[in-house]
Amino acid sequence: GAVVSQHPSWVICKSGTSVKIECRSLDFQATTMFWYRQFPKQSLMLMATSNEGSKATYEQGVEKDKFLINHASLTLSTLTVTSAHPEDSSFYICSARGGRVVGEQFFGPGTRLTVL
Amino acid sequence: GESVGLHLPTLSVQEGDNSIINCAYSNSASDYFIWYKQESGKGPQFIIDIRSNMDKRQGQRVTVLLNKTVKHLSLQIAATQPGDSAVYFCAERGNNAGNMLTFGGGTRLMVKP
Repeated sequence: GAVVSQHPSWVICKSGTSVKIECRSLDFQATTMFWYRQFPKQSLMLMATSNEGSKATYEQGVEKDKFLINHASLTLSTLTVTSAHPEDSSFYICSARGGRVVGEQFFGPGTRLTVL
Repeated sequence: GESVGLHLPTLSVQEGDNSIINCAYSNSASDYFIWYKQESGKGPQFIIDIRSNMDKRQGQRVTVLLNKTVKHLSLQIAATQPGDSAVYFCAERGNNAGNMLTFGGGTRLMVKP
């Protein structure tokens, strides 16, 4: 149980386009989802926290107008990278909280974004 | 700000030896710590956790030690196997309403056959 999926797993796009990444909790309801960004050989950096039905809370330095987060249901959160540029190329990982173990976060497999 | 960091960026061990990965944290209010394993191109995988009211916790081949006096966390892997090769992150959960995790810098464990 407590499986989190992401789609797509890898995306390559041209500079200036927008990319949507989906994060789904497959067998539990996720009251909270987290979005992280990970550059090569670096640690995970929290971008934002989203609670179902409310606006996301962004970490300092993360542009909310560039990284649009929607958490419309208890099993789905989406991250849209708007007008992507090469510097946005990264590994984006989501996690979800709300399974049987209170407080535990379950991580998705990640989405690799490459912007040309 | 608060941070979680690691002493060693890369650790190379012989198959069958024990591995010790260290982590220093600075938020004395953190109440929960987790070790994650991340293989290349994949998301973090939970290994073991420990609460601040404990100083040791054992799992299958893994042991986590917590020293709150010096704010130090370690992960011990017994009889390291090639499949243990990955990057290991410690994470702390601070005393915050959002229960957010802060990750350390990561240590790459390389197991030589």
